[in-house]
Amino acid sequence: DIQMTQSPSSLSASVGDRVTITCRASQSISSYLNWYQQKPGKAPKVLIYAASSLQSGVPSRFSGSGSGTDFTLTISSLQPEDSATYYCQQSYSTLWTFGQGTKVEIK
Amino acid sequence: EVQLVESGGGLVQPGGSLRLSCAASGFTFSSYEMSWVRQAPGKGLEWVSYISSRASSIYYADSVKGRFTISRDNAKNSLYLQLNSLRAEDTAVYYCATVAFDPHWGQGTLVTVSS
Repeated sequence: DIQMTQSPSSLSASVGDRVTITCRASQSISSYLNWYQQKPGKAPKVLIYAASSLQSGVPSRFSGSGSGTDFTLTISSLQPEDSATYYCQQSYSTLWTFGQGTKVEIK
Repeated sequence: EVQLVESGGGLVQPGGSLRLSCAASGFTFSSYEMSWVRQAPGKGLEWVSYISSRASSIYYADSVKGRFTISRDNAKNSLYLQLNSLRAEDTAVYYCATVAFDPHWGQGTLVTVSS
């Protein structure tokens, strides 16, 4: 199975800060990488698909980059509503695997 | 608009069974591969099972192999997951999702395995 390693596991930042979350795959997954935002009691919401494509309706302060094994989710200017847990997911293999999640808190 | 609506969750005793359903609308269901993903309380996301568009390929996570069965009815635009020999560790919210470049997920259905 392809292992996905996310870092950090949690972070605390202020409104307006630039926030970066990284995800590393155990083997090359090309651009088959999705990013999700999940708030308590809610289903995961797709933010970014295919490593860098912004899902319709998602604010432009969210962006994704990377290919191969190393990927990044960036929030350019953190907003209060961005408090959530973020997951990366590889779809290169039919057997999807997910990162362990990054909990983002607002200072 | 793509919609996926899961149902069938509930409270079941260890060793019991449940059948989850996922009703799809807003897209050509018969053309899409589908997966089930689960999330135990307070835990991360775990892929459970995959089925190809015509059900010719099926895969399961090792944790559910031999106990869960995925199926679909393209005429009814529906995906199913039969859960047998349930264990406490199967307690989770179960989500169905499209396997696509641009994936879509349902809102989930809660399965609680407890005596």
